[in-house]
Amino acid sequence: DVKVTQSSRYLVKRTGEKVFLECVQDMDHENMFWYRQDPGLGLRLIYFSYDVKMKEKGDIPEGYSVSREKKERFSLILESASTNQTSMYLCASSPPLSGGGLGGYTFGSGTRLTVV
Amino acid sequence: SQQGEEDPQALSIQEGENATMNCSYKTSINNLQWYRQNSGRGLVHLILIRSNEREKHSGRLRVTLDTSKKSSSLLITASRAADTASYFCATASGAGSYQLTFGKGTKLSVIP
Repeated sequence: DVKVTQSSRYLVKRTGEKVFLECVQDMDHENMFWYRQDPGLGLRLIYFSYDVKMKEKGDIPEGYSVSREKKERFSLILESASTNQTSMYLCASSPPLSGGGLGGYTFGSGTRLTVV
Repeated sequence: SQQGEEDPQALSIQEGENATMNCSYKTSINNLQWYRQNSGRGLVHLILIRSNEREKHSGRLRVTLDTSKKSSSLLITASRAADTASYFCATASGAGSYQLTFGKGTKLSVIP
């Protein structure tokens, strides 16, 4: 069964801490994504990557960075956690579709991060 | 930026009834996808329809796409309590697009 695995289901961190959220996929997918999901705001794209060592900013990259050193792993980094980064974080991966556009995403189960 | 918008925001039906959810979007697309999210979990891909397709079926799911109206609908037939979840549409736009843009979702409750 193909999988996207997020390292933590629940995480509590203190304001100002550096936080690492890890995501690993076993499907040899080129594309990987980080979203955050908040009530009333839906899913918002933070960063994505379409190849190893490549990264692109999404809609809300401020306060975040990413790392993709290996194809299967895409890490989200909160440089200095703040309370407004309390959220559900979702990682996803996808293969590209030939003929333009993406194939379906496979999502991880999510990490619910609370910053206190 | 939000591209797709689902309607209604919430829907409550009896088990066995059909559920219809709608999605409108603003710009031209390569494909449109529907996802389900059970409470507190990740999203699960349900179905993808390309811009040159008008209808697609998968089990009890039927998706239609009207590119002239920039809208799509998801029909779940003979609903079950296990269908209770939030449903999201997502659009892929632009040549070689790498990202999907999600709507805010429809929360479906199926009452046994």
